Order: sequence, then structure tokens, then C-alpha cells
Amino acid sequence: KNEVEQSPQNLTAQEGEFITINCSYSVGISALHWLQQHPGGGIVSLFMLSSGKKKHGRLIATINIQEKHSSLHITASHPRDSAVYICAVETYNTDKLIFGTGTRLQVFP
Amino acid sequence: NAGVTQTPKFQVLKTGQSMTLQCAQDMNHEYMSWYRQDPGMGLRLIHYSVGAGITDQGEVPNGYNVSRSTTEDFPLRLLSAAPSQTSVYFCASRPNFAVGNTIYFGEGSWLTVV
Repeated sequence: KNEVEQSPQNLTAQEGEFITINCSYSVGISALHWLQQHPGGGIVSLFMLSSGKKKHGRLIATINIQEKHSSLHITASHPRDSAVYICAVETYNTDKLIFGTGTRLQVFP
Repeated sequence: NAGVTQTPKFQVLKTGQSMTLQCAQDMNHEYMSWYRQDPGMGLRLIHYSVGAGITDQGEVPNGYNVSRSTTEDFPLRLLSAAPSQTSVYFCASRPNFAVGNTIYFGEGSWLTVV
């Protein structure tokens, strides 16, 4: 079993829909990152969380440390949100990240 | 700021050839790392460096070599390319590994070994 699991693996939506992507982890963490990867492109950091909730534009990220779970929400989704969203965790006392396999999101007009 | 610059973007190699993927950052970051991305798998750490002159192995280091002679540059060398090294490679940097530091990735290098 992977230490970082994302669900769903693939997600399709109509423009305007509310999107939720989930990340569960089985290790103790000091922080969690949400990343975005467009097709054929590089990877961009969206959020870094160690507790609570963060919001940037239409994107909201939450984390529940006790339940070892994080969610990334996209409100009023748009075709330009189509990308792979990757969850990664930092563990205590190491200098390495553990990555999930990503959630592929396609938003249709 | 250019951020993290990776070259080349695309490369085709024959089995047994060697090559170097270049990575440079202009943000004075201490921590740099190389990952490979394969279908159905999360990014896997190849090698990393916490500062000039210091490198260490990650999860999948075999067949790769790195050096960190300056803060800015962190090249990845494929010593004798194998088809199993066909992958997308990403270089990343961050100020250090303290909690709360944003990660910056390069644009990726698509490598095919035939």
C-alpha cells in the first residue's frame, strides 16, 4: 500500500462544477503540498499546508491531521483547470517528499 | 527570475550512451533534487543535495550520478543509458528543507532510450 493515496485517479467535470480531490496518507507528516501539472508541462506548487485551510482564488485546500487526510477543492471549475493534481507529504526527520500518483482532471465546456 | 531551468526538454538516446541533464536555479536555494515520473507512479527521488558539495541518494539512484559544485547547478548524469531509464525527469529546488518552504520545479525533460 502506498504511503500517499489519492482519489479519484481520474475525474471529469462540466464547466462550473465543484470539484473535490482527496489525499490520504499513512505516515506522520510535518507538511502537505498540493501541486498542479498541465499536460506536457512542468509542475507548479499550489499550496503547502501543515494545518487548517488555505484559499487562493477558486482553489481551497484543507487538511485534517488527526484523520491523515487532505482535500483540494475547485469552485466554479473551468477547462483551464484541466491538469494532473499531485499530493506530496513531508515526513518528520527526513529531507524527502513522498508523492501520490496524481489525479487527472478534465473539465469540459 | 528564471526559476529552475532544465535542459534539454527532449532527448532520444541509444542504449549504452551517456548524457547529462542540466539543472540550474537562480534563487540561491540550498536544496536541489532530481525526480523521475513514470506512468502510474508518483514522482520518485533519484538524488538530492542540501548544499554545494553535498549530495545523497534517493529512492532510485542506480544508473545515475550527480554533483553539486555550485549552489546554482545540479546536473544529472546517465552513465550508460538503458531502456528502463525512459522517463520524464524533473529537477526541483527549495530554499532548504525547513517546513513551509515552497518547492519549485523545472519544466521537465522527456528522455527516450531506444
